[in-house]
Amino acid sequence: DGGITQSPKYLFRKEGQNVTLSCEQNLNHDAMYWYRQDPGQGLRLIYYSQIVNDFQKGDIAEGYSVSREKKESFPLTVTSAQKNPTAFYLCASSSAGTSNEQFFGPGTRLTVL
Amino acid sequence: GQNIDQPTEMTATEGAIVQINCTYQTSGFNGLFWYQQHAGEAPTFLSYNVLDGLEEKGRFSSFLSRSKGYSYLLLKELQMKDSASYLCAVTTSGTYKYIFGTGTRLKVLA
Repeated sequence: DGGITQSPKYLFRKEGQNVTLSCEQNLNHDAMYWYRQDPGQGLRLIYYSQIVNDFQKGDIAEGYSVSREKKESFPLTVTSAQKNPTAFYLCASSSAGTSNEQFFGPGTRLTVL
Repeated sequence: GQNIDQPTEMTATEGAIVQINCTYQTSGFNGLFWYQQHAGEAPTFLSYNVLDGLEEKGRFSSFLSRSKGYSYLLLKELQMKDSASYLCAVTTSGTYKYIFGTGTRLKVLA
């Protein structure tokens, strides 16, 4: 089955710790995206990548970092510099270009204690 | 700048028809997507409009007017399972970003 996976579903971390969220897709998509969603809010773009070894900052990149070493994988690290990291994080992928629908993973709910 | 507006919340009755509006102000508009998102789950694709007019897909239809910066999602024969948030997203030329509105939370009542 083709799809996009994120793990874990729920993640708890202590304040001051870095944490990495995984995102893997086997849809052969070139483009991958990370969004953050807060209660009652839409999706805000953190980082996106159109091709391996290249990525761009989205609207709220401060305190986050990513890598794109493989086409299938786009992990997101939430660093201790992110002031309010508790949120629902969604990864998405799509074929190249913005005329194509995005496919979303199930999300990771991060809680920083 | 870029701005997308949707009503925050709507309520409708099972079996009825509901229209969810989305207005946008962007430069270089390319296309508009509608997604459905149940609480705590991932958004799923509903429709894509790039030209003016109505796109029908079963119980769901989506309309676009590029000149007015306006779209709506029409849901017919509402079912309880349609209770969800509906997200409008816009893409623009020259960028690979999808810009999302804050979503409309729809409650379907028996």
